[in-house]
Amino acid sequence: AQSVAQPEDQVNVAEGNPLTVKCTYSVSGNPYLFWYVQYPNRGLQFLLKYITGDNLVKGSYGFEAEFNKSQTSFHLKKPSALVSDSALYFCAVRDMNYGGATNKLIFGTGTLLAVQP
Amino acid sequence: SAVISQKPSRDICQRGTSLTIQCQVDSQVTMMFWYRQQPGQSLTLIATANQGSEATYESGFVIDKFPISRPNLTFSTLTVSNMSPEDSSIYLCSGRTAEKEHGYTFGSGTRLTVV
Repeated sequence: AQSVAQPEDQVNVAEGNPLTVKCTYSVSGNPYLFWYVQYPNRGLQFLLKYITGDNLVKGSYGFEAEFNKSQTSFHLKKPSALVSDSALYFCAVRDMNYGGATNKLIFGTGTLLAVQP
Repeated sequence: SAVISQKPSRDICQRGTSLTIQCQVDSQVTMMFWYRQQPGQSLTLIATANQGSEATYESGFVIDKFPISRPNLTFSTLTVSNMSPEDSSIYLCSGRTAEKEHGYTFGSGTRLTVV
């Protein structure tokens, strides 16, 4: 079964420092991977996606993610964290069925990013 | 990309009653989905809303409890029926847009508290 794991419930980082939010996946076939952010009392906002192409994907708000096929990872990164980046981050993968992508997204458990001033 | 308007944004309901949540998309989406996010947890897919036909429910979710309608390509409703405190969650709708865009967009969610 397809799955995505976010091993850290919470990541703490000081403002101005680089941040990494980890995500690993398990799918059959080529993965379609996504990162979303959820601010308090808000819906999910799209950050970036990997479908194919360059392994380094650049997204919104200065975030980027690196697709690593050998490690089955898709970690979210930002060179310099802002206090306003504090939010809940979800990694997601499109579900696969018989080698083809379905329309369903499977979400990780989420990682709370806390950026201290 | 498409923008989804979801309402109500929050509600407090008495147990045994029902609440209908609406989602309106500003452009056509190929598919619409409904998710539940229980407190402190991730998103769980409830069902795929199919235009003009019965929704496709995920394991553990049934039509009698979560009836869904999608009369056209840009509108869908989810009803949470005969509510109990265990139904207290955030409910989100999502639309799948054209592949060249990011693919999925989400409403702002409905925070439901059942007392």
